[in-house]
Amino acid sequence: ELKVEQNPLFLSMQEGKNYTIYCNYSTTSDRLYWYRQDPGKSLESLFVLLSNGAVKQEGRLMASLDTKARLSTLHITAAVHDLSATYFCAVDMASGTYKYIFGTGTRLKVLA
Amino acid sequence: NAGVTQTPKFQVLKTGQSMTLQCAQDMNHEYMSWYRQDPGMGLRLIHYSVGAGITDQGEVPNGYNVSRSTTEDFPLRLLSAAPSQTSVYFCASSFGAYQETQYFGPGTRLLVL
Repeated sequence: ELKVEQNPLFLSMQEGKNYTIYCNYSTTSDRLYWYRQDPGKSLESLFVLLSNGAVKQEGRLMASLDTKARLSTLHITAAVHDLSATYFCAVDMASGTYKYIFGTGTRLKVLA
Repeated sequence: NAGVTQTPKFQVLKTGQSMTLQCAQDMNHEYMSWYRQDPGMGLRLIHYSVGAGITDQGEVPNGYNVSRSTTEDFPLRLLSAAPSQTSVYFCASSFGAYQETQYFGPGTRLLVL
């Protein structure tokens, strides 16, 4: 069964702290996508990781991809309240397909 | 650009009724897709299209039909609504290349009684 697993599922952290969200997947995909969803809203693209070793950074968020380990990480540096949201990773079911599988999401709450 | 638009925003159906969820994009994207999101879960792919006239099934296609007669529009039809189809439905589009991310519409919240 093709799976995309995120952990933790819930994360409550203090402002100013660092933390990492993990995304493990079982497909043979060599690309991975990160999205953010605010409560009651749609999804917003954060990162597109296209190859093994890819690293991208935007503000306090940094994402990386290890296709050999089938693992992506989303690292949060010095968290702020505005980062509170649910974060999803997604991969395609097999390399070269357009069928995407999403993880169940990590709900992040940053406490002031 | 309006981006990806969806109508209606909210709909209540009775079991057995049919309806069409509309999705349109004005970005000339080749790839379009439909997802459902159930509470506390990620998105699951229902159907997708890689261009006008071309559609394929996703992870959870049963009970849904799609067609793609134009690049801009990708409607999702519920043939005979069931309570299990109560969900939030998102339409998404992208240029179609693998390096492109998807742009999501605002969603349609569907309640089937």
